Amino acid sequence: AQKITQTQPGMFVQEKEAVTLDCTYDTSDPSYGLFWYKQPSSGEMIFLIYQGSYDQQNATEGRYSLNFQKARKSANLVISASQLGDSAMYFCAMRPFNAGGTSYGKLTFGQGTILTVHP
Amino acid sequence: DAMVIQNPRYQVTQFGKPVTLSCSQTLNHNVMYWYQQKSSQAPKLLFHYYDKDFNNEADTPDNFQSRRPNTSFCFLDIRSPGLGDAAMYLCATSRQQHKQGRREGKLFFGSGTQLSVL
Repeated sequence: AQKITQTQPGMFVQEKEAVTLDCTYDTSDPSYGLFWYKQPSSGEMIFLIYQGSYDQQNATEGRYSLNFQKARKSANLVISASQLGDSAMYFCAMRPFNAGGTSYGKLTFGQGTILTVHP
Repeated sequence: DAMVIQNPRYQVTQFGKPVTLSCSQTLNHNVMYWYQQKSSQAPKLLFHYYDKDFNNEADTPDNFQSRRPNTSFCFLDIRSPGLGDAAMYLCATSRQQHKQGRREGKLFFGSGTQLSVL
C-alpha cells in the first residue's frame, strides 16, 4: 500500500516570492511515479509536474520544480516567483509500477495543501 | 480544446433517486477513472476501466456502478444516493505507461460534477 503525507494544511506566500510545498511518501514498490496537481476553486485538477523514481535529475516545468530526495522519500514542490493565480489547493500523488514495469495511473493522493498568494 | 468532458457541471438529485454522471474523452486513452472528492479532502478512487475491464476498489460501496460502452464514454451510476454521497465526482483518463519508454502516463481530469443530494 502507498501513503502520501502533506503536513502543511495551508501555506501563505507573498507575490513574486518562492514557496515550497512538502510531500513525503511511503511505499514498498521498487519503482513509482510522483505527481503534483493543482486544483483551483473551479474544481479541475491541473497536472503540474512529474518525477519518476528512476530519474536521476529533479524535474522542472517552468516555474515549478520538484525537489526529489529518494532516500528520504520526499518530493517537495517548489514554486518560484509566485503569482496571484497560484492560489489553489495542491495535491501530491504517487503511482507504483507493477512487476512488469508498467502502470496505468492508479494514483494515491495526499490530503493537499491550500496555498494563498498575497499581493 | 476540452479533452475530458464531464456533464453536467452541477447535479442535484433527491435522496434515493438514481442519478447518472457522464464523462467523455477525445484523447483515445485506454484507461478511465472515477474519483470521489468530498470537501477539502483528497480524491478517492472509486473504480477504473482498463479498456473494457472493470476494476472496482475494495471499499467502493455497491451503490456505485459504472458503464463504459466504448472508448470515449464512461458513466457513473449512483443507484440510491444518500446524503453522504454529496461530493465532487472527477473523471480522469490516462494511457498505459511504459517504464522504459518514460512516457508520463499522467492523468487528465475533467472539470468534475458537483453532486448535491436533497
